[in-house]
Amino acid sequence: GAGVSQTPSNKVTEKGKYVELRCDPISGHTALYWYRQSLGQGPEFLIYFQGTGAADDSGLPNDRFFAVRPEGSVSTLKIQRTERGDSAVYLCASSLMVPADTQYFGPGTRLTVL
Amino acid sequence: DAKTTQPNSMESNEEEPVHLPCNHSTISGTDYIHWYRQLPSQGPEYVIHGLTSNVNNRMASLAIAEDRKSSTLILHRATLRDAAVYYCILRGGTSYDKVIFGPGTSLSVIP
Repeated sequence: GAGVSQTPSNKVTEKGKYVELRCDPISGHTALYWYRQSLGQGPEFLIYFQGTGAADDSGLPNDRFFAVRPEGSVSTLKIQRTERGDSAVYLCASSLMVPADTQYFGPGTRLTVL
Repeated sequence: DAKTTQPNSMESNEEEPVHLPCNHSTISGTDYIHWYRQLPSQGPEYVIHGLTSNVNNRMASLAIAEDRKSSTLILHRATLRDAAVYYCILRGGTSYDKVIFGPGTSLSVIP
């Protein structure tokens, strides 16, 4: 079946602009996660959804970052007033939400802020 | 999630077995040991997981120490496509929340 997809694959923007990154999870997966990965480091947790609600947003770095999942499927990560330090690969994952579950990752969106 | 410790990098010759170690001395009784790997320019992918007994699947084997304070991911015959960063992660048996990734082990495979 189809895996997790993310669009766009690459996004280049200018400092101060607003960006939206989209994630389409595997059909039927209740849980959805966003991570951010900088070069040479492991992915860093940002936010996690159970259905439509954000169950844990403790990883969002500041209030410029926001994510939604209005119908419990597709999710959008929104970044306002982008800064050069926001440049990274943004990864999305989904899972069935069972204990010790396996997370299935998308290919990521590479965001570059000039 | 408890912390894991892995070597930063390892090398292997092609077609030879690779043993990737992971220490998790603070593991709790309900923590599962998961391994993911990340190929260049891709998202992480699940490799294998276990609780107490050794596990085998088509990708790899997982050997878990009797005291569960360490584990080893075994690739039986390394191929060039196995060159990736390998992450050892602990997942609570009653938890389905975020995954805490460390820096992982970068595996190089030499032809």
